[in-house]
Amino acid sequence: NAGVMQNPRHLVRRRGQEARLRCSPMKGHSHVYWYRQLPEEGLKFMVYLQKENIIDESGMPKERFSAEFPKEGPSILRIQQVVRGDSAAYFCASSLTGQDYGYTFGSGTRLTVV
Amino acid sequence: RKEVEQDPGPFNVPEGATVAFNCTYSNSASQSFFWYRQDCRKEPKLLMSVYSSGNEDGRFTAQLNRASQYISLLIRDSKLSDSATYLCVVNQGGGGNKLTFGTGTQLKVEL
Repeated sequence: NAGVMQNPRHLVRRRGQEARLRCSPMKGHSHVYWYRQLPEEGLKFMVYLQKENIIDESGMPKERFSAEFPKEGPSILRIQQVVRGDSAAYFCASSLTGQDYGYTFGSGTRLTVV
Repeated sequence: RKEVEQDPGPFNVPEGATVAFNCTYSNSASQSFFWYRQDCRKEPKLLMSVYSSGNEDGRFTAQLNRASQYISLLIRDSKLSDSATYLCVVNQGGGGNKLTFGTGTQLKVEL
């Protein structure tokens, strides 16, 4: 049973371009979480999604960022018009239910904006 | 005040030493607690959950004091492979499974 799969592992974008980060949850998991880790900082919650629904997006920046988890296919975190400050590691995790427990992260996507 | 606070370290200890990390959290309604380990440029990995009764996993012991809002991790007989950043993590409840991470304590185990 493959773990949480994220791709690409590394992504380089020029300022103003769009970045699309993909996350395939563990088999059977319908809850997905996105976190961001800025250099030298802790992980910060961004968004929690269930299939076709955004449950909690309290950590998402108000502009340029969006997330989806369609009925079929991976969850997508989309960053429009990237800026240097978006450079970070973006981690995804999934869970079977939305109950309280520590979940497993994917290996992350490292976004570099040049 | 940060929601989850940790001493950033680094803690430099010789192999075989016992080392303890502490963490405090600000939300008294927090419901579950964890220690994660993060190696350089890798994803965080769940080390262990933390319970009020205390729990042990091999050389690792975790403890929770709800009254003081304090969490600890003790590593005995430290190995070179224990070198990593240890993240204190809290689930503040309120629905869903959103975790709040401390910034981590860096441990370096040396020969």
